[in-house]
Amino acid sequence: AIRMTQSPSSFSASTGDRVTITCRASQGISSYLAWYQQKPGKAPKLLIYAASTLQSGVPSRFSGSGSGTDFTLTISCLQSEDFATYYCQQYYSYLLTFGGGTKVEIK
Amino acid sequence: EVQLVETGGGLIQPGGSLRLSCAASGFTVSSNYMSWVRQAPGKGLEWVSVIYSGGSTYYADSVKGRFTISRDNSKNTLYLQMNSLRAEDTAVYYCASGRRPYFNYWGQGTLVTVSS
Repeated sequence: AIRMTQSPSSFSASTGDRVTITCRASQGISSYLAWYQQKPGKAPKLLIYAASTLQSGVPSRFSGSGSGTDFTLTISCLQSEDFATYYCQQYYSYLLTFGGGTKVEIK
Repeated sequence: EVQLVETGGGLIQPGGSLRLSCAASGFTVSSNYMSWVRQAPGKGLEWVSVIYSGGSTYYADSVKGRFTISRDNSKNTLYLQMNSLRAEDTAVYYCASGRRPYFNYWGQGTLVTVSS
């Protein structure tokens, strides 16, 4: 199975910060990557698919980039409601896999 | 409005079996990619299984041979039959759907606890 590695696993940031989360695939996955946001006790929410396409209704401060093995999720100006855990997911392979998650905490 | 409602979770002894259901409304299960994703307490998301619109099924290595995904088109419902359950299968199980194998609709989750 394709392994997805996210970094960092957690970090602290302040409202208004620009933050970047990285996701690396163990083999090339073209642009078959999605990003999700999950808050405690809630189901995940799709943010981005095809590496850089914003899901309908998601604020434009979220953006994604990358292809092949290296991908990034950027939040241009962190808002209070963005403190959450973020996951990447590849769908290049029939065997889907998620990254380990990145928790964004309040500084 | 699209809705996914999972049922069937609970406490089960190791080695036991359980069937989860996911009732869908607002869309047709057979026209979408339907998946089960689980989350152990305090851990990250783990993909479990997917059924494609064409009927093909795929499983994570951790559950292959023990779990079976299926759907009932007449009931617009997705299922996960879980056999030979282990302590490490303890998790919240989410049902998820999408037009591609990434998921824009999720259920609220159902907790499965495997313990004696």
